[in-house]
Amino acid sequence: AQKVTQAQTEISVVEKEDVTLDCVYETRDTTYYLFWYKQPPSGELVFLIRRNSFDEQNEISGRYSWNFQKSTSSFNFTITASQVVDSAVYFCALSEGAARSGGSNYKLTFGKGTLLTVNP
Amino acid sequence: DAGVIQSPRHEVTEMGQEVTLRCKPISGHDYLFWYRQTMMRGLELLIYFNNNVPIDDSGMPEDRFSAKMPNASFSTLKIQPSEPRDSAVYFCASSLRRPNQPQHFGDGTRLSIL
Repeated sequence: AQKVTQAQTEISVVEKEDVTLDCVYETRDTTYYLFWYKQPPSGELVFLIRRNSFDEQNEISGRYSWNFQKSTSSFNFTITASQVVDSAVYFCALSEGAARSGGSNYKLTFGKGTLLTVNP
Repeated sequence: DAGVIQSPRHEVTEMGQEVTLRCKPISGHDYLFWYRQTMMRGLELLIYFNNNVPIDDSGMPEDRFSAKMPNASFSTLKIQPSEPRDSAVYFCASSLRRPNQPQHFGDGTRLSIL
């Protein structure tokens, strides 16, 4: 069965600090996809990134970067020079990649989330 | 472009009443998902549809919960009768047909059952 663990329940930093959110996953599939979502205080869920299991290149988007390491089953998320507006709950999620009967590759398994608070 | 639209944003009702949550997916998306979010259990998938047909409802907690998708632009999640433990935020999401495409979420409905 799939499982996503976000061990950090809450993180608090001061503005301009760098912060890394950890995500560890479990799956029996060799093909799978990983996602990060952001849930700001207003409550909506915002898609940030999708990464497939065959692409271990790190990705950078502005102040955001993602480090995917299959050897440790981790997909960590780093915010550089954090800002107050980054305060949110961040969720890591996993879906199976192979086409299966029943379409289970459309289902997302979410971690419990990490509450990030960036203080001014 | 319009995102996923859910209504109502907030619902407060008394135990035993019927509750209906509504969702309009993004136009052109073939998949629609209903999730429930609580502090204790996090985000849970309740049911999802492909081309208006329910594919997997294994996450629906009880027979009191039902979901329909009469057409490509509308879905409902109904709870009858409602109970206080159903209090949660209910999200609807939609995605394109290809597997593992990002799911785009609505703003959610915050449901409180008194």
